[in-house]
Amino acid sequence: KQEVTQIPAALSVPEGENLVLNCSFTDSAIYNLQWFRQDPGKGLTSLLLIQSSQREQTSGRLNASLDKSSGRSTLYIAASQPGDSATYLCADSGGGADGLTFGKGTHLIIQP
Amino acid sequence: EAQVTQNPRYLITVTGKKLTVTCSQNMNHEYMSWYRQDPGLGLRQIYYSMNVEVTDKGDVPEGYKVSRKEKRNFPLILESPSPNQTSLYFCASSLGTSGSNEQFFGPGTRLTVL
Repeated sequence: KQEVTQIPAALSVPEGENLVLNCSFTDSAIYNLQWFRQDPGKGLTSLLLIQSSQREQTSGRLNASLDKSSGRSTLYIAASQPGDSATYLCADSGGGADGLTFGKGTHLIIQP
Repeated sequence: EAQVTQNPRYLITVTGKKLTVTCSQNMNHEYMSWYRQDPGLGLRQIYYSMNVEVTDKGDVPEGYKVSRKEKRNFPLILESPSPNQTSLYFCASSLGTSGSNEQFFGPGTRLTVL
């Protein structure tokens, strides 16, 4: 069964820094990988979706990459802002009907 | 606005009192599912539905029921809630008939069972 791991569990950095969040998965037979943002008391907001045939996706200051051979995905946040503070979750889809397998998330704090 | 809505957002109940959490999407999505989120365990899928009248168990289905009589609605039913079902619940939907497409999540329902 697929396992998804996110390291670190928590991260605190000063405003303006570029940072990388890591996501690793045990089974390389993924269909796509999705990154989400979760704010306290709120739902999950989809940030980026990378199909298995793609290597990366970009949206504004966010860039997500996927390396199936090494079982890793990274989320790069450029020029971080306090509003980026949230929990970031990655989730893998195996391509079947049974939905997503989530990592436990990285709790990110951007210090003003 | 395209969205997934859930009601109620917060619920406190007592053991054994049947409850229903509603979920509705306005995107004409085929696939809908329910997840629960618990500290240290992350998000786990409870049930999913690939289309009207088609539902199946996820990873943690015990103690829950679902139905899919209409495409837009996918209610989660707890026939006899217990304290171990205290959790944050999310409904999700996606366009295709599998969980492979981009998933859109509702705002969550925080349930406390006393």
